[in-house]
Amino acid sequence: GESVGLHLPTLSVQEGDNSIINCAYSNSASDYFIWYKQESGKGPQFIIDIRSNMDKRQGQRVTVLLNKTVKHLSLQIAATQPGDSAVYFCAEREQGGSEKLVFGKGMKLTVNP
Amino acid sequence: EPEVTQTPSHQVTQMGQEVILRCVPISNHLYFYWYRQILGQKVEFLVSFYNNEISEKSEIFDDQFSVERPDGSNFTLKIRSTKLEDSAMYFCASSEYGGNQPQHFGDGTRLSIL
Repeated sequence: GESVGLHLPTLSVQEGDNSIINCAYSNSASDYFIWYKQESGKGPQFIIDIRSNMDKRQGQRVTVLLNKTVKHLSLQIAATQPGDSAVYFCAEREQGGSEKLVFGKGMKLTVNP
Repeated sequence: EPEVTQTPSHQVTQMGQEVILRCVPISNHLYFYWYRQILGQKVEFLVSFYNNEISEKSEIFDDQFSVERPDGSNFTLKIRSTKLEDSAMYFCASSEYGGNQPQHFGDGTRLSIL
């Protein structure tokens, strides 16, 4: 069935370090993946997305990697800042016309100054 | 930057009462969604809406739930007779074209059922 899960529930890093947040998905029919950031009291904020015909996509300070062979998604944040502290969710959309995003449980990133 | 806005930020309602949660999606977006997040759990899909009709709904979205786009800017979620287990954060989202386009979320309405 569909499920998206995060390997690590919490991650604590030092300011300036690079962070890697991992996500496993089980639905091989998913063709679109999104990373969201959620700060306390706010809704999920779009960070970056990737389609299944790509294996890497870069944004500003963020890179998403997709490994379809092992159904793994990761978010790399370069030079992590205190403002990056939040809960991060991966989400997937199933191929074939569904509009539904299936979210993972979330992982809390804490950046220590 | 355009954003999805939701009102109220917090709604407290007696069990059995009707509640309407309101959303103003991003103005040029065509696809609208409701999700909910029970405290400590995953964000869950409720319903998607396009071209003035429901395009998809989850098993959570039973007969007690309905959605409406009463005018060109608002998108509402109604729960007809609330239950204790309806207590959650409810997020509205919109997408420009649906499909492989990001869904942009509002900051949610915290619904507390007493």
